[in-house]
Amino acid sequence: AQSVTQPDIHITVSEGASLELRCNYSYGATPYLFWYVQSPGQGLQLLLKYFSGDTLVQGIKGFEAEFKRSQSSFNLRKPSVHWSDAAEYFCAVALWMEDSSYKLIFGSGTRLLVRP
Amino acid sequence: EPEVTQTPSHQVTQMGQEVILRCVPISNHLYFYWYRQILGQKVEFLVSFYNNEISEKSEIFDDQFSVERPDGSNFTLKIRSTKLEDSAMYFCASSQTSLEFFGPGTRLTVL
Repeated sequence: AQSVTQPDIHITVSEGASLELRCNYSYGATPYLFWYVQSPGQGLQLLLKYFSGDTLVQGIKGFEAEFKRSQSSFNLRKPSVHWSDAAEYFCAVALWMEDSSYKLIFGSGTRLLVRP
Repeated sequence: EPEVTQTPSHQVTQMGQEVILRCVPISNHLYFYWYRQILGQKVEFLVSFYNNEISEKSEIFDDQFSVERPDGSNFTLKIRSTKLEDSAMYFCASSQTSLEFFGPGTRLTVL
């Protein structure tokens, strides 16, 4: 069955330090992969997506993610974290449906805390 | 930039009452979705809607739930008789074909 695993429930980094959030997926075909961010009390904002092509994708707010098929991973990275990046981050894989749309299967999320 | 909107932002109701959560999807989108996030848990798919009918629903989406697009702009989720375990954040989403835009969510609290 399709699934997404985010092995880190919480991560704490110092402001200015680099960040990597892990995501592993289980999916039979070439996946469509997403990272969303959720600030406290807010909705889900799309950071970036991978559909095909270049395996290193750039997103908003200075984030990037790399698709590694051999590792079934889609880790999110940022070279220098800002205090405003403190939020919950969700990785998701698209599961195609018969009407040619897809639904998203989400991971359980990683809460990022940023130390001043 | 177009966005998905949801009302109300917070709904408090008594167990057994009916609630209707409202969403206005992005105007040229064709696919509409509801997702749910129970506090502290992952976001879960509830239902997708296309061409005026449900195209897929999860096992969570039982007979107590229904969706409707009553007037070509709104997309509603109705819970007929709420239970305590329906307390969650409900997200509406819409897409053209290949991307989903999420609304800010409605926090439903069932007492």
